[in-house]
Amino acid sequence: QSVLTQPPSVSGAPGQRVIISCTGSISNVGAGYDIHWYQQLPGTAPKLLIYGNSNRPSGVPDRFSGSKSGTSASLAISGLQAEDEADYYCQSYDTSLSGYVFGTGTKVTVL
Amino acid sequence: EVQLVETGGGLIQPGGSLRLSCAVSGFSVNDNYMSWVRQAPGKGLEWVSTLYTGGNTYYAGSVKGRFTISRDNSKNTLFLQMNSLRADDTAVYYCARTRHGTTGMYFDYWGPGTLVTVSS
Repeated sequence: QSVLTQPPSVSGAPGQRVIISCTGSISNVGAGYDIHWYQQLPGTAPKLLIYGNSNRPSGVPDRFSGSKSGTSASLAISGLQAEDEADYYCQSYDTSLSGYVFGTGTKVTVL
Repeated sequence: EVQLVETGGGLIQPGGSLRLSCAVSGFSVNDNYMSWVRQAPGKGLEWVSTLYTGGNTYYAGSVKGRFTISRDNSKNTLFLQMNSLRADDTAVYYCARTRHGTTGMYFDYWGPGTLVTVSS
């Protein structure tokens, strides 16, 4: 059972903006630990999308953006494209578990 | 070019042992934190273990005492020794380079994964 909660699915039409939430607690996000985001295309390994709450690795389009506030974080995808259909996971550290934790995952569907 | 390739997965009976390998090119395992992350079929990601450059090791509660992470610097390879395997260890196992800062760690390069199936 993950300590980071995400909506199971979000959807949007091409060109629209979707937001994925990641809700934690005072033992992880609220304790000041960064949130990182990964994209997992069907049948492939996860890929780092956002690190340190809001930073994009080289090569990640600026359509992807991240933010964090309090015990929650969000990933926004602007100008949604068909190639964005994937599972998305947030990740942080949890002091009560003394380990790294992933969110429950969100499937993004492009209508 | 950075590349990580896991091998060693397969079908194993409950209670058995398996050793996974992760061959790395493009950077040194000795100079980087390295981790294993797994994903059960149709499920989400689960952190398994991390090996620090200084040799410290960390494990998820679900595998502590059964799994051992290690590296061979001469072969630039990361390992995961898995003992007393259970059905709920069935998953694709990924190795990942792990970046660290003052406010946490993240996984920036991943291998394609190797499937471990624990079943009689």
